[in-house]
Amino acid sequence: KQEVTQIPAALSVPEGENLVLNCSFTDSAIYNLQWFRQDPGKGLTSLLLIQSSQREQTSGRLNASLDKSSGRSTLYIAASQPGDSATYLCAVRGGYQKVTFGTGTKLQVIP
Amino acid sequence: NAGVTQTPKFRVLKTGQSMTLLCAQDMNHEYMYWYRQDPGMGLRLIHYSVGEGTTAKGEVPDGYNVSRLKKQNFLLGLESAAPSQTSVYFCASSSPPWGQPQHFGDGTRLSIL
Repeated sequence: KQEVTQIPAALSVPEGENLVLNCSFTDSAIYNLQWFRQDPGKGLTSLLLIQSSQREQTSGRLNASLDKSSGRSTLYIAASQPGDSATYLCAVRGGYQKVTFGTGTKLQVIP
Repeated sequence: NAGVTQTPKFRVLKTGQSMTLLCAQDMNHEYMYWYRQDPGMGLRLIHYSVGEGTTAKGEVPDGYNVSRLKKQNFLLGLESAAPSQTSVYFCASSSPPWGQPQHFGDGTRLSIL
């Protein structure tokens, strides 16, 4: 059974700092990995999706990498801003409908 | 740009009552999903649908039923609510093939007393 772990559960950084969020998974047989952002009381917003054949994806200040063999993905946020404060979730697709979500990292960026 | 709309946003039920959660999407997506999110746990798939008139069980289907009579709507029913079903319910939709990004609604916060 796929297990997805996100450490740390919470992170607080000063504005402007570059930071890395981690996601690890136990079964490397995946189709893709998706990073989401969840604001309080809101649904999930897709940030980046990395297919299993890809190593990384970039969108603006965000860069996500994938190392399938080691079961790891990282989300890099450059020059963090208070508006980046949210919970970040990763989700691994292991089959058609088999998507396993991590429990998230709650990020607070302090002005 | 409505995207995925869930109604209601909040609801409090008594044990044994029934209710239906409605999800509507305007993106012409084939696939739709119902998840529940509980503290300390990742989102878990309850049921999903790959097209109008089809439904399938996910990871935690017990106590729930679903219907997809129209392509744009996906209904989640609780026939006899239990306190263990207190949760935040999210609907999502996506286009084929499998692996396309899922688009989520804002959730329904359901409390069962």
